[in-house]
Amino acid sequence: DAGVTQSPTHLIKTRGQQVTLRCSPKSGHDTVSWYQQALGQGPQFIFQYYEEEERQRGNFPDRFSGHQFPNYSSELNVNALLLGDSALYLCASSQLSRGAGYNEQFFGPGTRLTVL
Amino acid sequence: SQQGEEDPQALSIQEGENATMNCSYKTSINNLQWYRQNSGRGLVHLILIRSNEREKHSGRLRVTLDTSKKSSSLLITASRAADTASYFCATDERPNDYKLSFGAGTTVTVRA
Repeated sequence: DAGVTQSPTHLIKTRGQQVTLRCSPKSGHDTVSWYQQALGQGPQFIFQYYEEEERQRGNFPDRFSGHQFPNYSSELNVNALLLGDSALYLCASSQLSRGAGYNEQFFGPGTRLTVL
Repeated sequence: SQQGEEDPQALSIQEGENATMNCSYKTSINNLQWYRQNSGRGLVHLILIRSNEREKHSGRLRVTLDTSKKSSSLLITASRAADTASYFCATDERPNDYKLSFGAGTTVTVRA
């Protein structure tokens, strides 16, 4: 049973560029959440996708956008990259359809984004 | 802003000793989860405790939850070098907030 997978593992971009990160959820999961983790800090919630729609969003600018596909996989897009966007980007999957008491979120290995 | 706060920030123990870390949060929650992270890699899910539960065990892990004090503790018994990692608590808020809010974590070092 495959866990959550993310690609790529590492990415180096320059300021102003755009980036797309990808996530495949754990088998049987229908919900994907994205988090940003800066060095030495806990993860910060970016947004969550369920039934191909953005269900909830954290305090991130519109430069951060996403998508969920019919097979539940997801993409995170960041436009006009800033130096401050350098971080570990984590994807988590869960089974939201089971309800609030089943919000067990399993994380992928992350994508390390460096913006120069 | 972060919902959870772990305490202590760092912990250094000898192999075989127990490690205890605490988490405090601010609002009413559905669940509280503990995660482990090794060297900036992905988070490994350790345990989920629901708001109507008081204690849970998983192998060498024991988690308690006190909703009246809005706090939780994670105990790792008989620690091993492989337990060296950062530990995070994460909460999701009632009634239907499914995002996880994390603290800054506790860094645990287990000395051989």
